[in-house]
Amino acid sequence: ETGVTQTPRHLVMGMTNKKSLKCEQHLGHNAMYWYKQSAKKPLELMFVYNFKEQTENNSVPSRFSPECPNSSHLFLHLHTLQPEDSALYLCASSQILTGTGNTEAFFGQGTRLTVV
Amino acid sequence: AQKVTQAQTEISVVEKEDVTLDCVYETRDTTYYLFWYKQPPSGELVFLIRRNSFDEQNEISGRYSWNFQKSTSSFNFTITASQVVDSAVYFCALSELGGGTSYGKLTFGQGTILTVHP
Repeated sequence: ETGVTQTPRHLVMGMTNKKSLKCEQHLGHNAMYWYKQSAKKPLELMFVYNFKEQTENNSVPSRFSPECPNSSHLFLHLHTLQPEDSALYLCASSQILTGTGNTEAFFGQGTRLTVV
Repeated sequence: AQKVTQAQTEISVVEKEDVTLDCVYETRDTTYYLFWYKQPPSGELVFLIRRNSFDEQNEISGRYSWNFQKSTSSFNFTITASQVVDSAVYFCALSELGGGTSYGKLTFGQGTILTVHP
């Protein structure tokens, strides 16, 4: 099994649909992240979960709703998205070492989302 | 606020050439981590290296080498004798150790698209 697994790999949804992206990490890490990668823009951090608690919401619209039921699973619930939300959504995990920083982040292969 | 700049949007080389990817960063912290990631067409970001701000030793790993210069806030990446399989998007990233909720946050550069032609 790869370290960080994301499903689905591709998703096409209408603007009125509700869908969810799933991420699972098998590395025993205590932090998980959602990043958005749009064409011609740097990777943008969306959410951070540290020990299952959301510690960062980087001004993300409420149509994106994260959920972290345990330290191994992370979801991104999507509803009433806009075409400009079409992007590659990447999940990552790392081990946060209190007082000394964090290990490198390991990324999943991403979900290519197209909103029509 | 932290910022990472990769001025080279695209680089094209012929196989066996050496190529250097530039990375310049800005941060107010005295302690931070720098990273390089490779993103092949499959989409996954592959970790290449993590460097602590206290460690300015250059590092070599096979055909890859990294030059960290704190005085110029640069962390450049060189591929020696490039190969077609090196074709990918390469990202430089910065993580501050500001404590609290700052841990783990990566700020990425815009990425450099490297194409190695046979």
